[in-house]
Amino acid sequence: GENVEQHPSTLSVQEGDSAVIKCTYSDSASNYFPWYKQELGKRPQLIIDIRSNVGEKKDQRIAVTLNKTAKHFSLHITETQPEDSAVYFCAAKTGNTGKLIFGQGTTLQVKP
Amino acid sequence: KAGVTQTPRYLIKTRGQQVTLSCSPISGHRSVSWYQQTPGQGLQFLFEYFSETQRNKGNFPGRFSGRQFSNSRSEMNVSTLELGDSALYLCASRGTGTVNYEQYFGPGTRLTVT
Repeated sequence: GENVEQHPSTLSVQEGDSAVIKCTYSDSASNYFPWYKQELGKRPQLIIDIRSNVGEKKDQRIAVTLNKTAKHFSLHITETQPEDSAVYFCAAKTGNTGKLIFGQGTTLQVKP
Repeated sequence: KAGVTQTPRYLIKTRGQQVTLSCSPISGHRSVSWYQQTPGQGLQFLFEYFSETQRNKGNFPGRFSGRQFSNSRSEMNVSTLELGDSALYLCASRGTGTVNYEQYFGPGTRLTVT
């Protein structure tokens, strides 16, 4: 069935360092890959997304890359700040429905 | 535009009872999806409604049901509650068409079953 694997489950970095979170999806027909940030007690917030016809997308300090052949995509955060500390979820969608399959989440801790 | 809203925010129920949760999407959004979030299982898709019709359904028992009204507001119902139904229930709305893939989440309803 549809599945998204996310690694690592926890990640600790020093302020100013880069952080990379990786996801692998199983459905080769997946066409949309969003990333959500969820702070404690808050709703998941869409931070960046990429469609299957694009290989890379960047928005200030965050970027996402997609490798369709290998069926994996990654989130890159540069110059990390303490406020980047949160749980990050990747997801994949197939077709034109709203069904998102989520990874298990990565808890990112940025140490000042 | 106002964001996605959900009511109630917190709910405590007893095993065997039923519960109804409500979600109001962003104005103009016609698609509403529901997700269950638990520490053990993460975020799992329950179902999606579009134009008052269920469009897709996840792997949950028939005790979980939903509906959507003509104004796009959606409700989710869980009957015969079990302890394992304790979770954060999130709804998300999105625009429709091939350009509107982004889903925006509401704050969630925290359901505790005792």
